[in-house]
Parts: sequence; C-alpha cells; structure tokens
Amino acid sequence: EAGVAQSPRYKIIEKRQSVAFWCNPISGHATLYWYQQILGQGPKLLIQFQNNGVVDDSQLPKDRFSAERLKGVDSTLKIQPAKLEDSAVYLCASSFDRTINYGYTFGSGTRLTVV
Amino acid sequence: QKEVEQNSGPLSVPEGAIASLNCTYSDRGSQSFFWYRQYSGKSPELIMSIYSNGDKEDGRFTAQLNKASQYVSLLIRDSQPSDSATYLCAVNNFNKFYFGSGTKLNVKP
Repeated sequence: EAGVAQSPRYKIIEKRQSVAFWCNPISGHATLYWYQQILGQGPKLLIQFQNNGVVDDSQLPKDRFSAERLKGVDSTLKIQPAKLEDSAVYLCASSFDRTINYGYTFGSGTRLTVV
Repeated sequence: QKEVEQNSGPLSVPEGAIASLNCTYSDRGSQSFFWYRQYSGKSPELIMSIYSNGDKEDGRFTAQLNKASQYVSLLIRDSQPSDSATYLCAVNNFNKFYFGSGTKLNVKP
C-alpha cells in the first residue's frame, strides 16, 4: 500500500511571498489532515477534511492560510503571505474514516523556511 | 493547561536498560491513546496504541494506561541506540488528536 505522498520536501521563501503544498492520501482514505509542526513542538492540527468537506479548521489562521481538497482526494495547503513564524514542517496524514481509534500515517512532510 | 503534557527530556539511558516515557492528559473523556516515534528530520511514525486501562505489549514496547490518573506511559525494554528519537504522546478526544511536545530519548552505547 502506497503511503501518504507530499511535495515539495523542502521550500525556502521570503516573508510576504506565497507558497503551496500538495498532499496525496492513501488510496481510499476519506479523511485527510494537515498538521503544522514547529521545531521542538508536537504537531498541531490545522485542518481536517472528510472527503472534500471541512470537518475542523478551528486552528487554521484563515487570514493567511487556505486549504482545499478537490474531488475528495488530493489536497493543497496555501500560505499567503508567509510570515517568519510560519517556518515549520507541514505534515499531511490520512485515515480511512473519522473514527481515528487506530491512529493514522503521516506523509514525509514539507519543511518550510521563511526568511 | 495543555491537552497533553510530556517531559521534554532528554532522557538518557544506557543500552540494554528500560526506558520509561510518561504522558498526562487533561480531558477525562479521551478515548484512545497513541505513541509515535519521530527521528530527527523525519515524520512521526505510529508505534503503539492503547484503549483500555492496563498494559499492552508489542515486542520490546509496553504501553500502560491509567484513566483514573489520566496517565499514559511507554516502556522500552532492552533499549538500543536505534531507539534514540523523540517520542510523542497523542490523545484522541472525540476524533480530535492532541499531541504532546515529545520526550527526547538518548540511548547510550
């Protein structure tokens, strides 16, 4: 079974620029998550999709972050404009359904550096 | 108060010893509990899950859950240098995952 695919692996941008990250979940997984992990901290949920609908985006900074999941498969997370404090690893994960009693698998992540 | 609390460490143990990692959580309604291992520069990988009070063993790993004390622990027996990583505790509360900040484990040869 192929895992969660993410790209790019690394991105360096200047503050106030925009950036986009892409995620392809495990085939058949209806639920997709975007997490932000700042160095030295645990992952923090940004947004959760169930198919192509948003379930939880309470911690997404909506003034600069946006995410979409077209057709309930791939997802894109965008930051516009980026700030220095957005430097982090952005992790995507997926699960078969919302009952995450079995945990879920993360992709390899995108490391963003804002300078 | 954070949802999930962990000692950041580092916890240093000699090779072959038992490493004990601890985690407390704030919401008594939490239903399931997980331990993830994260090597430097890598994404977290799930190593253990536990849902009921008591112990759950998987190879060298034992997860312990005490819901009355709101406490989860992970024991690693016969620790190896390859176990050196950050261990993240995660708690599922009504289908929302909350992660602790992780405990860094160093296993010295």
